[in-house]
Amino acid sequence: GQNIDQPTEMTATEGAIVQINCTYQTSGFNGLFWYQQHAGEAPTFLSYNVLDGLEEKGRFSSFLSRSKGYSYLLLKELQMKDSASYLCAPTDSNYQLIWGAGTKLIIKP
Amino acid sequence: GAVVSQHPSWVICKSGTSVKIECRSLDFQATTMFWYRQFPKQSLMLMATSNEGSKATYEQGVEKDKFLINHASLTLSTLTVTSAHPEDSSFYICSARGGEEYQPQHFGDGTRLSIL
Repeated sequence: GQNIDQPTEMTATEGAIVQINCTYQTSGFNGLFWYQQHAGEAPTFLSYNVLDGLEEKGRFSSFLSRSKGYSYLLLKELQMKDSASYLCAPTDSNYQLIWGAGTKLIIKP
Repeated sequence: GAVVSQHPSWVICKSGTSVKIECRSLDFQATTMFWYRQFPKQSLMLMATSNEGSKATYEQGVEKDKFLINHASLTLSTLTVTSAHPEDSSFYICSARGGEEYQPQHFGDGTRLSIL
C-alpha cells in the first residue's frame, strides 16, 4: 500500500532551525514534493526532489534518500509566518501525488 | 509565475442548488488540472484529474454525475456541484500542472462551500 508518516505537530522558536521528517512507501516513485499550507488556505509549492541529496532554496532545504524512503524539510531562521502545516507528498509510478495529513508547525516567540 | 486563480472564494447557498467553481491558470498552459476537497484538519482528497479536451478521471467513490468537471481549454477548468446538499459542504481546491508530469501542481486559493 501507499503510506506517508510525518509527525502530527512540532513546536519551534522564532529564529531557530527545525527539521520535519517524512518516511513514505509508494507504488513506484517519481519524486517527492513539499508544500506549505496555512490554516484555511490552499497549499503552496516549496520544493521537489527526485534525486538523492539536498536541495537548498533560501531558508528552506529539502533532502531525499530514495533507498530509505525518507525525506526531510529543513527550515532555518524561523519566522512567525512559518507557522503552517507542511505536507510531504511523494509521487507514485503514475506521477500521482500521495497526500498525508502533514505536520503542523507552531512557531513561538 | 505559475499563478492559478479560483473563484468564487466563498459560496453559501440553499440545499438543492447547483454551484459552479472556476479554476484558471493565468500565466501558463495547464495540461492537467486537479480537483480536491479537504475537510477540517484532514488531508487533501483528490476528487478527479482532467486533461484539456478529454473527460475527467474520477477517483473511486466520487460521483461523476454529482461533480461535473469540464476542462474546455488549457487555461480553464470548472467543477459543478449539482443539487448540493449539506454533506457537500467542504473546502474545494483546484490545482494546475503545465508541461511534464514531474512539474509541480500549483494551487488556486480554494472555494469554501457551505450548503444550508
